[in-house]
Amino acid sequence: NAGVTQTPKFRILKIGQSMTLQCTQDMNHNYMYWYRQDPGMGLKLIYYSVGAGITDKGEVPNGYNVSRSTTEDFPLRLELAAPSQTSVYFCASRDGASLEQYFGPGTRLTVT
Amino acid sequence: GNSVTQMEGPVTLSEEAFLTINCTYTATGYPSLFWYVQYPGEGLQLLLKATKADDKGSNKGFEATYRKETTSFHLEKGSVQVSDSAVYFCALGNQGGKLIFGQGTELSVKP
Repeated sequence: NAGVTQTPKFRILKIGQSMTLQCTQDMNHNYMYWYRQDPGMGLKLIYYSVGAGITDKGEVPNGYNVSRSTTEDFPLRLELAAPSQTSVYFCASRDGASLEQYFGPGTRLTVT
Repeated sequence: GNSVTQMEGPVTLSEEAFLTINCTYTATGYPSLFWYVQYPGEGLQLLLKATKADDKGSNKGFEATYRKETTSFHLEKGSVQVSDSAVYFCALGNQGGKLIFGQGTELSVKP
């Protein structure tokens, strides 16, 4: 049982490039989340999903897109990367019975 | 709206010292409360939780009590170790299923 896995671990992008951050969970959780963590700022919710085919915006969705075609996968797409998107990105999941979320190891993204 | 406020860090302690990290919250309804820990270079791990008023969560020597009258969920440990050095996040879980995080408190424990 690997839990929540994220790839890549690190990435450097140039301004205007695009990329997809991958997130996969093997716990059959319906709920999945993407957060960004900026220094001293805690975690901010970008997008979330309550099940395959259903996604919704969180607190800071601008500049990002998501899709949820399967229960296991919840990729986060950055279009036209900007320096303001330099951050550490965490994916998380939970089942419907508890509010406890399980986190992946994170992706550290730098946009220069 | 819902929010969580934690004491600012960094907190630096000597090994075997007593630890308190303050956390207060603002919420409508009856939220669940969590403490997560993030070790260097890793993701967040659940440390403990409490789902209703007066519940005490505990794990690995850490404790926190859900105090509705003071809207607090302070984290305590009687004797910290160097291995406890990490960033600690207080979080609130609302009926919508989302977690609202505090800004995190960095703890550094010196031998």
